[in-house]
This record gives sequence, structure tokens and C-alpha cells, in this order.
Amino acid sequence: DTEVTQTPKHLVMGMTNKKSLKCEQHMGHRAMYWYKQKAKKPPELMFVYSYEKLSINESVPSRFSPECPNSSLLNLHLHALQPEDSALYLCASSRAGDSPLHFGNGTRLTVT
Amino acid sequence: QKEVEQNSGPLSVPEGAIASLNCTYSDRVSQSFFWYRQYSGKSPELIMSIYSNGDKEDGRFTAQLNKASQYVSLLIRDSQPSDSATYLCAVIDSGGSNYKLTFGKGTLLTVNP
Repeated sequence: DTEVTQTPKHLVMGMTNKKSLKCEQHMGHRAMYWYKQKAKKPPELMFVYSYEKLSINESVPSRFSPECPNSSLLNLHLHALQPEDSALYLCASSRAGDSPLHFGNGTRLTVT
Repeated sequence: QKEVEQNSGPLSVPEGAIASLNCTYSDRVSQSFFWYRQYSGKSPELIMSIYSNGDKEDGRFTAQLNKASQYVSLLIRDSQPSDSATYLCAVIDSGGSNYKLTFGKGTLLTVNP
């Protein structure tokens, strides 16, 4: 069982849809992350929030919009995605600094 | 571009053998190193953290770090079929005030019964 909870587990959306991925942790961690993972590739960093402020954006296209409403919650808003955006989207949290990341179970996204 | 290099494998070992997984990294100032295990279709799971030179043991797992050689390894003793997974080496890149975890491409391990 993971202490980082992601919803939904699976999501199928059309290219004109708007949807959101949600992530929640109750470990008191102050850093939260979004990663994207394609099949047989390592996770790729998208965004980092540290103390609820966006600290890293890895040049992610604007069709992905992160939001951190509070220290426990992280959202990823999706709009006008492309089929190549289909992937496993992973949320993670850490105590910040050089602490290890703890991952949620991920959301499997398919864009049709 | 700071890099983390791993042999992609696949690495195949018989049940009960020692599996040895290796990783090198390019950034000399890196201080924090992790090994994650990822089963097919699942998310990465942290199995070891190591911050100082030398060995760190946890059950059947031993992580070894050599900062002078920029090398970190993971040994799995008494390998079991349930250890079959992709093992990801990860290194913290502390550029300025931001801490970024960079993954290697992963080594696929198969333990044969």
C-alpha cells in the first residue's frame, strides 16, 4: 500500500476534453512532484512543488497545468492533449531537500 | 546534462544467486543516491537510500557507494523470482536551491526458478 494516493487509476480522454489528475499525501511532506513515464522508459520529471510553490517546470507544454491547493494536495489539469501524451502519470512526495521520493500508484492515461 | 547510466540488461540470474546491479553518475557533487524497484505496470518503490561512501545493508539488499569513482551498486542476495523487476538507480541533483531526482534507464532483472 502506498501513502501517496492518486485518482483516477485509469483515464481515457479525447483530444478536446478537459480532465484533472489528483494526488494526496498525509505524510507531512513539503515537496510534491509530477512525473510522466512511457513504456520501458524511466520516469521523466514534469513539475516540482516545494512548500506549495512551483519550483521546477521541466519545459512542459502548457496543455499540462499543475496546481498545489495545499501542502497535501497536488493536481494536474489536462486540456487539448495529444495521443502521444498517453502514459503513466506518477505523483510523488518527499520531505524536501535530498530526501527520497515516495510514489503513488499512478494514473494510466490514454488519449484518443 | 547530468547523467545516470545503468546497464539496461536484461540481467538473468538463477534463484538463490547474487544479483549485482551497477550505476554510474556524472555529477561529482551529487550526495544522495537511491534504488527503486518497479514491477511491470506498477509505480517505482523505494528499496534503498545511501548517502555515504561504503556499504549499507537492509535484509537481502546491499547498496554500495563510491563517490570517488562516481559509482553506486545494488547487490541482491539469495535472489527470488519475486525480485524479477526493473531496478532504477536515481541520483539527487541539487542545483541551487532545487533538488531534482534523475533516474537511470533501469536494469531489467529476471530471476529464474
